Amino acid sequence: GQQVQQSPSSLVLQEGENAELQCNFSSTATQLQWFYQSPGGSLVSLLSNPSGTKHTGRLTSTTVTKERRSSLHISSSQTTDSGTYLCAIDRGTGSKLSFGKGAKLTVSP
Amino acid sequence: GPKVLQIPSHQIIDMGQMVTLNCDPVSNHLYFYWYKQILGQQMEFLVNFYNGKVMEKSKLFKDQFSVERPDGSYFTLKIQPTALEDSAVYFCASSYYRGMSSDYTFGSGTRLLVI
Repeated sequence: GQQVQQSPSSLVLQEGENAELQCNFSSTATQLQWFYQSPGGSLVSLLSNPSGTKHTGRLTSTTVTKERRSSLHISSSQTTDSGTYLCAIDRGTGSKLSFGKGAKLTVSP
Repeated sequence: GPKVLQIPSHQIIDMGQMVTLNCDPVSNHLYFYWYKQILGQQMEFLVNFYNGKVMEKSKLFKDQFSVERPDGSYFTLKIQPTALEDSAVYFCASSYYRGMSSDYTFGSGTRLLVI
């Protein structure tokens, strides 16, 4: 079955609103990563957060490892935040990343 | 920040021909990966590579696929012969581990169309 499940699959916001994206994973994870995939397709690492809470800019990720879930909060969304947000896990040094199907965010002006 | 460079960015090839996708990973990274993404679908792992050897292959890594990184040159994915279902975007990635944290960098992808 699917190792990484994301919700919602899509989200539409007005500029300035906040977004909350969820990630649940079915197997143990050494690393949990959030990525942004632009409409053009390129992939950028946003946060690596195996446990606890991490902040960078307008992004906050909280991972509860024993409950196998993570969230990504985007505050004060901007139109340039539009794209797909991917959650991925790995199980140790050099191991593969298993990706969720992504959450497509659309921010309207 | 440091980048993973993929060449070419686009490739159109006739079914049955050979194609080589090239990747220049981040210089101090030790682990290299190929992922495949069909348009609008999920990112799927193909293969990872460390110290000159394949670590793990997925079921998508068919016998027609091979990877190598001759010393000091590109990390390559070769498909020979190509099939229509190989049409996809292929992403190269590299990573470096420091204790429990890791640093992944993805290239911009090679868009492969097999006709």
